[in-house]
Amino acid sequence: GENVEQHPSTLSVQEGDSAVIKCTYSDSASNYFPWYKQELGKRPQLIIDIRSNVGEKKDQRIAVTLNKTAKHFSLHITETQPEDSAVYFCAAIINKLTFGTGTQLKVEL
Amino acid sequence: DVKVTQSSRYLVKRTGEKVFLECVQDMDHENMFWYRQDPGLGLRLIYFSYDVKMKEKGDIPEGYSVSREKKERFSLILESASTNQTSMYLCASSSPGHLAKNIQYFGAGTRLSVL
Repeated sequence: GENVEQHPSTLSVQEGDSAVIKCTYSDSASNYFPWYKQELGKRPQLIIDIRSNVGEKKDQRIAVTLNKTAKHFSLHITETQPEDSAVYFCAAIINKLTFGTGTQLKVEL
Repeated sequence: DVKVTQSSRYLVKRTGEKVFLECVQDMDHENMFWYRQDPGLGLRLIYFSYDVKMKEKGDIPEGYSVSREKKERFSLILESASTNQTSMYLCASSSPGHLAKNIQYFGAGTRLSVL
């Protein structure tokens, strides 16, 4: 089955800095890569996703890049704000979603 | 707006009890999922269902079963609860279709403690 590794497990940045979270996957047949954000005490919610036919996707301060050859994809958050503090999960899918282990992002003032 | 509702936010049960976790979605989604969330382990899939009365094992089905008698409801059953099943349980649903079915909508979670 699919295996997704996510790094780092914790990330602390200063407000206004950029944050990058990286994931690798094992099965080259995976074709969809979503990112979920889970704020403290709340449910995970999709923030951005990318499909295997594109290399990059942006949505305001958030971007995701995909390198199919290397089987890795990354989440980039620019100009971080305190409300970006949360746990972020990457995932990959063939016939079902496999999640990474999560990254606790803390944006410090 | 999609709503996925889990019947309880917190549950405390004793070892050996039979436990039912209920999940209801109101968007006519065909696909429903049960995950458990543990620190450092992320979200792990227990069971999922793509249709009524249909179920598939996920990555960690041992000690669990599920029931999908109606399209909107997906129940997770712990036949005999054990302390290692203390966890946060998340239900999710997604709509059918080749691409759309990949986007999952989560419930608020049930934090289960087994004593």
